[in-house]
Amino acid sequence: DGGITQSPKYLFRKEGQNVTLSCEQNLNHDAMYWYRQDPGQGLRLIYYSQIVNDFQKGDIAEGYSVSREKKESFPLTVTSAQKNPTAFYLCASSTGKWTNEKLFFGSGTQLSVL
Amino acid sequence: AQKVTQAQTEISVVEKEDVTLDCVYETRDTTYYLFWYKQPPSGELVFLIRRNSFDEQNEISGRYSWNFQKSTSSFNFTITASQVVDSAVYFCALSEMNSGGYQKVTFGTGTKLQVIP
Repeated sequence: DGGITQSPKYLFRKEGQNVTLSCEQNLNHDAMYWYRQDPGQGLRLIYYSQIVNDFQKGDIAEGYSVSREKKESFPLTVTSAQKNPTAFYLCASSTGKWTNEKLFFGSGTQLSVL
Repeated sequence: AQKVTQAQTEISVVEKEDVTLDCVYETRDTTYYLFWYKQPPSGELVFLIRRNSFDEQNEISGRYSWNFQKSTSSFNFTITASQVVDSAVYFCALSEMNSGGYQKVTFGTGTKLQVIP
């Protein structure tokens, strides 16, 4: 079945540590997105990528980094510079070319700080 | 700039009651799309409906209906005869093209709906 796979489902970070969240899609979508979800704040865009080897900062990119070496994969690294990383992280994809495109979402990763 | 406001943070209803979730948006574009997504406890957002800025017809799908009013920049969602399975967080979203020619989606803060049996 086509879809988006995020792993792990739960992740714990120690202070000063970088952690990487995985996102893989087999929908042949060009565009991929990372959102952060905090209670009462909805979904906020961290980074997005419209094509392989290219990505842009979203609204809250500080303390995060990404790469897009393959069309299917868009990993997100939460660096030690992100002082408040505890949140639910959602990866999404779409063709990205049209305004009417719906986003397809993964099941998310809950990141917590030890 | 794009903005989506969902003023209702949490709503509780008793099963079989009707409930309306409000969504108000702001945009300078004349061409855009509006969406509703459902996020059940499992976490994955599920697409419910999309509406383009030129189509103000209301839509009904089973127990779900949507009311789009451009004059008030609103895209409200009504669940008729609510069921426990409707308990979830519901997000309204606005989609436009950014300056680079790609889709940009802005989400509201979500409304958590609890349907009590």
